[in-house]
Amino acid sequence: DTAVSQTPKYLVTQMGNDKSIKCEQNLGHDTMYWYKQDSKKFLKIMFSYNNKELIINETVPNRFSPKSPDKAHLNLHINSLELGDSAVYFCASSSGPLYGYTFGSGTRLTVV
Amino acid sequence: DAKTTQPPSMDCAEGRAANLPCNHSTISGNEYVYWYRQIHSQGPQYIIHGLKNNETNEMASLIITEDRKSSTLILPHATLRDTAVYYCIVRVSSGTYKYIFGTGTRLKVLA
Repeated sequence: DTAVSQTPKYLVTQMGNDKSIKCEQNLGHDTMYWYKQDSKKFLKIMFSYNNKELIINETVPNRFSPKSPDKAHLNLHINSLELGDSAVYFCASSSGPLYGYTFGSGTRLTVV
Repeated sequence: DAKTTQPPSMDCAEGRAANLPCNHSTISGNEYVYWYRQIHSQGPQYIIHGLKNNETNEMASLIITEDRKSSTLILPHATLRDTAVYYCIVRVSSGTYKYIFGTGTRLKVLA
């Protein structure tokens, strides 16, 4: 019954690998987001999709490619992983600009 | 989006009201004030939002000053489970769908 679910919860991988993080929401929301929380605990938006269309891309390296097959899913694919990509990645969704976001529980990515 | 300023940390005794201040002196007329919290390393949790009137829900109350340059989140009876980082965010009611999170206030509720 989780509203916004992310998989995997933990991901440990070597530099140079390619990995994906999946996000699904069952709230019927139109808008989904990816946020990155670094070691200093700053939460920064990366991407936003509204009804499968990209509406925000916050100067994220093009090694990061979001994909939204439908409005309930927003996946994040990362190519050529670097040490600096280590962080917690949060997916979120909302039904519109006036409404609060519902966040997932996060994916802790560690690049070694 | 307007910038917000919050104290980095606060303590509150269990059972007492926790009053978390936020300054947003450059807020404009169509910007809402939102509050979220993040407990340990969980995902942020929406608490409440408002435009100019005071708001209350089952979690908290939001008091916005008349000039809208500051606001206070009130947790009426803080419990140990309210220990978290609390973020105050201002955001326009339309347009780009994003929040800009600041550094927040780390609230510690003491037994």
